[in-house]
Amino acid sequence: DAGVIQSPRHEVTEMGQEVTLRCKPISGHDYLFWYRQTMMRGLELLIYFNNNVPIDDSGMPEDRFSAKMPNASFSTLKIQPSEPRDSAVYFCASSLAGQGGGYTFGSGTRLTVV
Amino acid sequence: QKEVEQNSGPLSVPEGAIASLNCTYSDRGSQSFFWYRQYSGKSPELIMFIYSNGDKEDGRFTAQLNKASQYVSLLIRDSQPSDSATYLCAVSTGKLIFGQGTTLQVKP
Repeated sequence: DAGVIQSPRHEVTEMGQEVTLRCKPISGHDYLFWYRQTMMRGLELLIYFNNNVPIDDSGMPEDRFSAKMPNASFSTLKIQPSEPRDSAVYFCASSLAGQGGGYTFGSGTRLTVV
Repeated sequence: QKEVEQNSGPLSVPEGAIASLNCTYSDRGSQSFFWYRQYSGKSPELIMFIYSNGDKEDGRFTAQLNKASQYVSLLIRDSQPSDSATYLCAVSTGKLIFGQGTTLQVKP
């Protein structure tokens, strides 16, 4: 199993530009999570999906953030327009119901907005 | 009050010693408890989980849970320099909420 795959690994963009982060969960996993990690705030849950349906987006910071999961093997997190305070590492994680809540994380996308 | 609290450290221990990492949580409805290890620049990786009060041992690692005190801990015996990392406590009430993490430094 290739694990959770995220792309790109690094993204540098200018303020105001649109940023799209991508995630491929582990095949067969039915939960997908998007987290953001910063030194100040730690690892924060942004949104999660169950069977491709968004369940809880209460962690999405603003309307500038949106996430989709069009099918079981792909999800995107979009920021439009991006701002310098969005600079962080964004992690995608997936899990299988019945595993007791243990998540497998992707390698993350380091986003820098200048 | 944060939902999951950890001392950020750093916690420094000599090689071969026992490292003790602590975590408290606020939601009494929490059902599952996890410890993740995160090396600098890497993603979190699951090392232990515990659901019931008491101790759970896995190799050099022991997780301890006290639901009455809302307290979770991780003991690392015979600490090695390779154990130097940030340890994240996570609590599940349907979704995983993470603490800020404790940085552990094991000195040779």
